[in-house]
Parts: sequence; C-alpha cells; structure tokens
Amino acid sequence: SQTIHQWPATLVQPVGSPLSLECTVEGTSNPNLYWYRQAAGRGLQLLFYSVGIGQISSEVPQNLSASRPQDRQFILSSKKLLLSDSGFYLCAWSVVTADVLTFGAGSRLTVL
Amino acid sequence: AQKVTQAQTEISVVEKEDVTLDCVYETRDTTYYLFWYKQPPSGELVFLIRRNSFDEQNEISGRYSWNFQKSTSSFNFTITASQVVDSAVYFCASGTGGFKTIFGAGTRLFVKA
Repeated sequence: SQTIHQWPATLVQPVGSPLSLECTVEGTSNPNLYWYRQAAGRGLQLLFYSVGIGQISSEVPQNLSASRPQDRQFILSSKKLLLSDSGFYLCAWSVVTADVLTFGAGSRLTVL
Repeated sequence: AQKVTQAQTEISVVEKEDVTLDCVYETRDTTYYLFWYKQPPSGELVFLIRRNSFDEQNEISGRYSWNFQKSTSSFNFTITASQVVDSAVYFCASGTGGFKTIFGAGTRLFVKA
C-alpha cells in the first residue's frame, strides 16, 4: 500500500534562518507531488506541484522553493524564513494529475 | 472565477444531533469533481468523497450523506447522529483534480458529548 511521510512534524525557527521540509512517498512510482500551506484558520493554499523529477511548478511567488531530487521525494526549502512563513505545511500526492489527493500528516512551522 | 465557499466557519452541536455543512462552488469547467476532506486534530487531511459533475445522485455512506445540487452549485455534507469523533475541520473542494483542486476555507465542527 502507498504511504506518505513528512518530517519534521514540528519546527520552531528564528526569522532569517533556513528551512527544509521533506516528504517521501512509498509504494508508488512517478507520483504527482504537492506542497500546500494552511495558515491559521485559513484554507489550503497550493504552493508547488511536481509531475516528475526536477519538474517544479510554482503557484505562489514567495521566498519558498521546492525540489524533487528523486522520484518519490519532495523538499520544501527557504534560504531565509519570514514571520509570514509560519503555518501548517502539507505534502500530498496523487496517481495522475486529475486525481484524489492523499495527504501527509503535516509539518507545523513557527517562525519567531 | 474558480472558488469554493464554505460560509460556516464553525459549528457546534451536541452528540447525536444531525449537522449539515454547506458548500457552494463556482467553476468555469464543464466537467469537474467535487470533494470533501476531513482534517481531524492530528492534522492530516483524509479524503471522504469525490463526485463527478455529471452524477447528481445523492450518496450515503453510513452516517455521512452528500447532496449535490448542480442548479444551485452546492455540494452539502450531512452527518447524521453526530459523534465526538466527528469533531474536525471539513474541507469542500472542486476542480478537475490534482493541482487543479480548489479548496474552501473549511468548517470547524465541534461535537460535544
């Protein structure tokens, strides 16, 4: 069966520090991968998605970036965090582009 | 514009009450999907249902039921005989799937014992 792992689960970082959130999917090949952000009391905002290794599409311009170094690995990064980067980050995958999203457990980031 | 509106920010009910979560969507697509996801306190979104836009039949799954009304662009979700374990944030979404899924802001449901 397919599983999705996200880490770290919780992160507290100072403003200006770097960020790396990692997501891996098991049990499937060539998944579509996604990073969403959920700000407090808000809905889900799609940040990045990837349909293959090295292929990244950005939905919202900001100081975050994403990379897909391996087929089932998706990384969300920042060189310098802002206070506004605080939120709950969710990784998701789908079999094909037009499909149900399966989410990871999320990573809660607090920037102080 | 593509948009999903969940007008109810929070709902509080007592256990065993029925509760309906409203969802209204706007779309330019002629064929699309509608979704509901549940986000329990643990944070992980759990898929509940996907409906195709050409299938307006209501669906029932245990205590859950969904009412799709294309004429009013609504896809409401009803929980019958609510339980404490139903407490969560519920997201409605529409689109053609994957990155073309638009989420509503969510409705937080509190079920009190």
